[in-house]
Amino acid sequence: DGGITQSPKYLFRKEGQNVTLSCEQNLNHDAMYWYRQDPGQGLRLIYYSQIVNDFQKGDIAEGYSVSREKKESFPLTVTSAQKNPTAFYLCASTSGTGLTGELFFGEGSRLTVL
Amino acid sequence: DAKTTQPPSMDCAEGRAANLPCNHSTISGNEYVYWYRQIHSQGPQYIIHGLKNNETNEMASLIITEDRKSSTLILPHATLRDTAVYYCIVRPNTGGFKTIFGAGTRLFVKA
Repeated sequence: DGGITQSPKYLFRKEGQNVTLSCEQNLNHDAMYWYRQDPGQGLRLIYYSQIVNDFQKGDIAEGYSVSREKKESFPLTVTSAQKNPTAFYLCASTSGTGLTGELFFGEGSRLTVL
Repeated sequence: DAKTTQPPSMDCAEGRAANLPCNHSTISGNEYVYWYRQIHSQGPQYIIHGLKNNETNEMASLIITEDRKSSTLILPHATLRDTAVYYCIVRPNTGGFKTIFGAGTRLFVKA
C-alpha cells in the first residue's frame, strides 16, 4: 500500500544531541513537508521541498535542517540549536501539481528531550 | 494562504449530526476549502474538500456558503470514533505549499 512512513515513532534525546527523523513516501509525490505540533496547538511548518535537491524554510526553521537527495525521502534533523525540541513531528507529501492537492500525512514521530 | 477561524471545541451526541463551522473570510478565488481530522497522536487524515459547490463523500458533507466566506463540515451520524480535532484549511489546488493549520475544533462525541 502507498503511504508515508515516519520513524522512529518515539524518540528520546539528551540535551545537546542532534537527532534525525526519517520520512519515506512511496506515493511518487513531488512535494514533501515537515510540521511541528505542540500540545493543544495546530501544525507549524518547519521545512518543505517541492522537488529533489531543493527545499525551503517554513515558519519555524531555526534549529532544524533537512535534505532531499531522493524523491522518496525527506529526513529532518533536529539540531542542538533548537531550544525547545520536545514536540510531535509530522511529515506530509502531496503531488504538488495534482488535481486534488490533498496532503497525505505520516503517523508522526514524538521527540522528547530529557 | 488564507487563514481560518474555528470554535475551539464542540460536543455532539452519538448518532446525531455534528456540524462543524469554519470562517475563511479572506479566501481567494483559487483556494479550496479542505477538512482534515486528527485522532490523538496520529497524523491528520483527509476528509473532504471543495471550491464552491457542496460536496459529499462517504465520510462527510461540506457546505460552502455562496460568498465562500464560511463553510460547515457535517458528519451525518457521529460515532464515538469521530472524536478528534477537526482542521479547516484553505489552500490553492496547485502550488499551495505553505498551508496554515490552526488549532482546529476538538469534537467530543458522547454516548
